[in-house]
Amino acid sequence: AQSVAQPEDQVNVAEGNPLTVKCTYSVSGNPYLFWYVQYPNRGLQFLLKYITGDNLVKGSYGFEAEFNKSQTSFHLKKPSALVSDSALYFCAVRDGGGGGNKLTFGTGTQLKVEL
Amino acid sequence: DGGITQSPKYLFRKEGQNVTLSCEQNLNHDAMYWYRQDPGQGLRLIYYSQIVNDFQKGDIAEGYSVSREKKESFPLTVTSAQKNPTAFYLCASSIDRGAYGYTFGSGTRLTVV
Repeated sequence: AQSVAQPEDQVNVAEGNPLTVKCTYSVSGNPYLFWYVQYPNRGLQFLLKYITGDNLVKGSYGFEAEFNKSQTSFHLKKPSALVSDSALYFCAVRDGGGGGNKLTFGTGTQLKVEL
Repeated sequence: DGGITQSPKYLFRKEGQNVTLSCEQNLNHDAMYWYRQDPGQGLRLIYYSQIVNDFQKGDIAEGYSVSREKKESFPLTVTSAQKNPTAFYLCASSIDRGAYGYTFGSGTRLTVV
């Protein structure tokens, strides 16, 4: 079975400060990890993914994520937050050793960036 | 442009009525998925299909039905058996192998009136 946890329902940060949105996962094989963003009343948009290789993955809109195998984590980061980054963020995982492509999503973290 | 289209954007259902949500993709993706989104509960999988004329139940399939007669289309019917259908419904598609993520539609908000 595969699972993913986002321990924070909401993260508040001031504009210009660095932000981190946390994600931990559990899979039996090698993980494929994804981050998505959702703006109000919209679908999810892909930000970045980790499949293999460099543990630091760079994605859209200046976001990056760090894969840590020993801590089974894949935290989303951005060096300097913008008010426009305020949205709902989802982490997702699938077991790279399994067949098909069924992702398991976390419950989401609401990011609020204030002036 | 390739993409995935959900319609309608807003839908109102009377008690005891069945309604069908449309999902169409022109990405040539093999797999399609339906999720329900409620505040604080993230995304819950209703049904998914990895190939035409085949589909599997997800975690919350009761009260819902689907069909997959064409690769491009995966409509979801919310039946009268679904007692609490008010939610935001998201359709997604993907290539059914490898390390591909999902492409999502813009969603349908269903409200019981």
